[in-house]
Amino acid sequence: EIVLTQSPATLSLSPGERATLSCRASQSVTSKLAWYQQKPGQAPRLLIYDASNRATGIPARFSGSGSGTDFTLTISSLEPEDFAVYYCQQRSNWPCSFGQGTKLEIK
Amino acid sequence: DVQLVESGGGLVKPGGSLRLSCAGSGYTFSTYNMNWVRQAPGKGLEWVSSISGDSNYIYQADSMKGRFTISRDNAKNSLYLQMDSLRAEDTAVYYCARHRRTGDPFDNWGQGTLVTVSS
Repeated sequence: EIVLTQSPATLSLSPGERATLSCRASQSVTSKLAWYQQKPGQAPRLLIYDASNRATGIPARFSGSGSGTDFTLTISSLEPEDFAVYYCQQRSNWPCSFGQGTKLEIK
Repeated sequence: DVQLVESGGGLVKPGGSLRLSCAGSGYTFSTYNMNWVRQAPGKGLEWVSSISGDSNYIYQADSMKGRFTISRDNAKNSLYLQMDSLRAEDTAVYYCARHRRTGDPFDNWGQGTLVTVSS
């Protein structure tokens, strides 16, 4: 089973700042990595797929990069609605797996 | 618009059973693979099980094998999760989600249904 480790667990930033979230896989997942955003009481929402492709309707301030075992989600300038929990997910092998999440909170 | 709506959650005693349903609409249900993902209170996302569009391929998390069974009825645009021998640690919100092809992300999710296992 591929284990995904996200860092940091919590990230405290202010609106307008740049956020950088990391996801590391225990073995290569090539580019089959997705990022999701989850707000309290809501279902996860797909942001990025195949490491760097934005899902439909996702603002350009969200970008993804990486391949193999190291991936990054970047939010270029934080908006108030971006404060949430972010999860990475690998879709390279079964069983599919999620990281433990990074909570992005307002500083 | 694509919609996935879960139902069937509730309070059940340890050792009991529950059947969750997920109704899909706004797309051709049979052409998408379907999944169950759960989230314990205050915890992260945990993949439970996946089923192909034609039901020929089923994948399941090892920790739930033998207790949970995924199935679907394309004529009813519905996905199911039969949960038996429930334990307190199965308490979670259960989401259904779809993906198009092998390796694709889960691009649409339902709002979830809460399962509480407690005496």
